[in-house]
Amino acid sequence: GENVEQHPSTLSVQEGDSAVIKCTYSDSASNYFPWYKQELGKRPQLIIDIRSNVGEKKDQRIAVTLNKTAKHFSLHITETQPEDSAVYFCAASAFTGGGNKLTFGTGTQLKVEL
Amino acid sequence: DTGVSQDPRHKITKRGQNVTFRCDPISEHNRLYWYRQTLGQGPEFLTYFQNEAQLEKSRLLSDRFSAERPKGSFSTLEIQRTEQGDSAMYLCASSSGLAGGQYFGPGTRLTVT
Repeated sequence: GENVEQHPSTLSVQEGDSAVIKCTYSDSASNYFPWYKQELGKRPQLIIDIRSNVGEKKDQRIAVTLNKTAKHFSLHITETQPEDSAVYFCAASAFTGGGNKLTFGTGTQLKVEL
Repeated sequence: DTGVSQDPRHKITKRGQNVTFRCDPISEHNRLYWYRQTLGQGPEFLTYFQNEAQLEKSRLLSDRFSAERPKGSFSTLEIQRTEQGDSAMYLCASSSGLAGGQYFGPGTRLTVT
């Protein structure tokens, strides 16, 4: 089955700096890669996703890049703000006939310091 | 609130008891997923439905777990003879179409004493 590794496990940045979180996956059939933000005690929130037919996607301060050859994808957050502090999870899945079960990474605790 | 809802939000039960959780997906979503999340970990896939059909179950799901989605709308997850290892957050998510993103509910936190 799919295996997703995520690094780093914790990341501390100064407000205004950029943050980068990296993930690798094992199943070459995976073609959908979402990122979730989870604040303490809250539900995982979908913040951006990318499909295998594109190499990069951007939404305001957030961007995701995908390298299918190397089987890795990354989340980039620019101009970080204190409200970006949360746990971020990457995930991967392969679309099947009925759905796309997600395999998650182990999470990155991002702390944005003033 | 038109998002995914789950009930109850918290459940404390004694070992050996049965528990049932409910998930109401976003109304136009035909796919519904159950995940389990333990502290410090990412969600782990349990099972999913397309409309009322249960299409896949994880090997993590023992025979004590059963899920239904009888009319293709809400879903229930039942755990029989609960064990302390079942203590976790049970998350439900729904999506629309094959390429739709999954949106999570607030979860049901189960504590087995």
